[in-house]
Amino acid sequence: DVKVTQSSRYLVKRTGEKVFLECVQDMDHENMFWYRQDPGLGLRLIYFSYDVKMKEKGDIPEGYSVSREKKERFSLILESASTNQTSMYLCASNSPWTASGSSYNEQFFGPGTRLTVL
Amino acid sequence: TQLLEQSPQFLSIQEGENLTVYCNSSSVFSSLQWYRQEPGEGPVLLVTVVTGGEVKKLKRLTFQFGDARKDSSLHITAAQPGDTGLYLCAGAGAGSYQLTFGKGTKLSVIP
Repeated sequence: DVKVTQSSRYLVKRTGEKVFLECVQDMDHENMFWYRQDPGLGLRLIYFSYDVKMKEKGDIPEGYSVSREKKERFSLILESASTNQTSMYLCASNSPWTASGSSYNEQFFGPGTRLTVL
Repeated sequence: TQLLEQSPQFLSIQEGENLTVYCNSSSVFSSLQWYRQEPGEGPVLLVTVVTGGEVKKLKRLTFQFGDARKDSSLHITAAQPGDTGLYLCAGAGAGSYQLTFGKGTKLSVIP
């Protein structure tokens, strides 16, 4: 069974703290993604990675950085947390290939981390 | 930039009723997916449609991809409280790793 896990389900941090959100997938997927989800705004892509040590900015990268040192692990870093970063953070992974050929980019999501910045 | 418009944004219905959720775009997608997300959880893939005009059924859920591959619909027959959740459509562009997500339809099925 495919699995994406996130290090915390709930997290409370103070303004200015450095925050690390960890995501691990056990499906040997090449691609990993970080989104934030806010009411009325839907899912917005923060960063994604298509290979180890590779990263690409998504739609809202400001205030965030990422790290992918191993294929299975993708970390999201809030350098200096602010209250407007209070949100639900979702990690996802996929592979451009399936056993039968090209995939359709279906993404597998973790359970999410509800981050509150006070 | 590709956009996906979902409607309605909210839907509250009685158990046993039928409903349809729409996902529309001016862009062509190589595939389109539907996800369901329960409160406090991540989205879970329900189905992927690939071919224009394709219809897929998953028990009481029927998914259709428009002929021009720009829109899709999700129809639920005889809704049950277990169908409650946020339904998201997502489109994949040709050659792109990324998905374009709609903002979702929040469905509440009242017993």
